[in-house]
Amino acid sequence: SQQGEEDPQALSIQEGENATMNCSYKTSINNLQWYRQNSGRGLVHLILIRSNEREKHSGRLRVTLDTSKKSSSLLITASRAADTASYFCATGGKNTGNQFYFGTGTSLTVIP
Amino acid sequence: EAGVTQFPSHSVIEKGQTVTLRCDPISGHDNLYWYRRVMGKEIKFLLHFVKESKQDESGMPNNRFLAERTGGTYSTLKVQPAELEDSGVYFCASSHYRYNEQFFGPGTRLTVL
Repeated sequence: SQQGEEDPQALSIQEGENATMNCSYKTSINNLQWYRQNSGRGLVHLILIRSNEREKHSGRLRVTLDTSKKSSSLLITASRAADTASYFCATGGKNTGNQFYFGTGTSLTVIP
Repeated sequence: EAGVTQFPSHSVIEKGQTVTLRCDPISGHDNLYWYRRVMGKEIKFLLHFVKESKQDESGMPNNRFLAERTGGTYSTLKVQPAELEDSGVYFCASSHYRYNEQFFGPGTRLTVL
C-alpha cells in the first residue's frame, strides 16, 4: 500500500502560531496533494506538488516534498481560528492510475 | 464554475434496503472517482471512470456495489442490499486530466441501521 500517513494525529495551537503537519508514504508517487476538511463538510483541495518539485507556496501555505524520504510537510503560517479543520495528504501513484491514497488526517485546532 | 455536487447529502436506510448515490462532476471533467470514508478510518478509493468507462474499480468492496456513468456525465453508485458496514461518507471527485488535482464533492453521509 502507498497509503499516506499524517503526523501528528492531532495538533492544537494558538492563533498566530505556525502549524506543521507531516505526511509519509510508502511507494513511488506521481504527485502528492493536501486537502482540508472542515467538520461535516467536503474535502477542499489546498495544493498539489509533483514528484519533481521540492517546495510550493500558496498564500500562507508552504508544502515541501522529499521523495528520498518519502515524506511531505504542510506548513500553515500565522494560523487563524478558521484554519481549524482536518488535513489530509493524498498520494497519486506512478503505476496505479491516478487514484489517490489518503491517510487518516491531522486534526488541527487553532485557539483564538 | 460549479463544483462537484452530490445527492443526497444524507441518507438513512435500513439493512437490506437499496440506496443510490449521485455525483455530478465539474463540467468537462472526463475523470470521475468515488471514495469512501468509514468512521475513524482513512478515505479509500473505490473506482475511477474515464468518461463512461470504468478505468479502475479495484477498490469496490464487493458486488453489492454498482457504479455507472452513462453518457460520461453524472455517475451513480448503488448499494444493494445495504449492510451495516456500508455506513460512512461517500465522496465523489473529478479531474480534467490524469495526474491533476481532484476536486471533491461535499460527500453523502450514508447510515445503515
